[in-house]
Amino acid sequence: KQEVTQIPAALSVPEGENLVLNCSFTDSAIYNLQWFRQDPGKGLTSLLLIQSSQREQTSGRLNASLDKSSGRSTLYIAASQPGDSATYLCAGPMPTGGGNKLTFGTGTQLKVEL
Amino acid sequence: GAGVSQSPSNKVTEKGKDVELRCDPISGHTALYWYRQSLGQGLEFLIYFQGNSAPDKSGLPSDRFSAERTGGSVSTLTIQRTQQEDSAVYLCASSPRQGAGANVLTFGAGSRLTVL
Repeated sequence: KQEVTQIPAALSVPEGENLVLNCSFTDSAIYNLQWFRQDPGKGLTSLLLIQSSQREQTSGRLNASLDKSSGRSTLYIAASQPGDSATYLCAGPMPTGGGNKLTFGTGTQLKVEL
Repeated sequence: GAGVSQSPSNKVTEKGKDVELRCDPISGHTALYWYRQSLGQGLEFLIYFQGNSAPDKSGLPSDRFSAERTGGSVSTLTIQRTQQEDSAVYLCASSPRQGAGANVLTFGAGSRLTVL
């Protein structure tokens, strides 16, 4: 069974700060890991997908890394802005079954203050 | 459509009633997923449809839950004899079968169910 843990559960930072969100998973046979963003009352938006053959993926101010051996992924947000305030979720594939059956972490609620 | 559409956006029902939640995936997406997001429990996988294959129902929490997908497009999640613990946001997502986007899910805004 895949278990995904996210630390911290909540984070508040001043605008402009660089920050790191952490994700740990138990199944090292993971073949990809995804990071999502969820705004209040809305669905999830896919941010980055890292394949197991990759070490990291970048999109704008976001950089996600994957270390299968240690069972960890990090999401780095550079020069944070108030618009980055949201809940960030990481997810890995379930060991049993294909497609996008994912196990999600409980998320990190980020608030970027002016 | 441009995105994944779900209806209703909010549903309040009494314990014991049946409810139906609808999902209209992105046109051409052959894979469709239902997830449930409960307070304090995060997102849980419920059921997965891929094309005309038999659905993967391994995440359904009880036999009160069922889902169907007609014509390989619209899906309906049905909860019979609702209980208070069924209160949650039910999220639908779709993805293409293959290609660069096959591993990327597009989620709808969800249907918030409250069972009184």
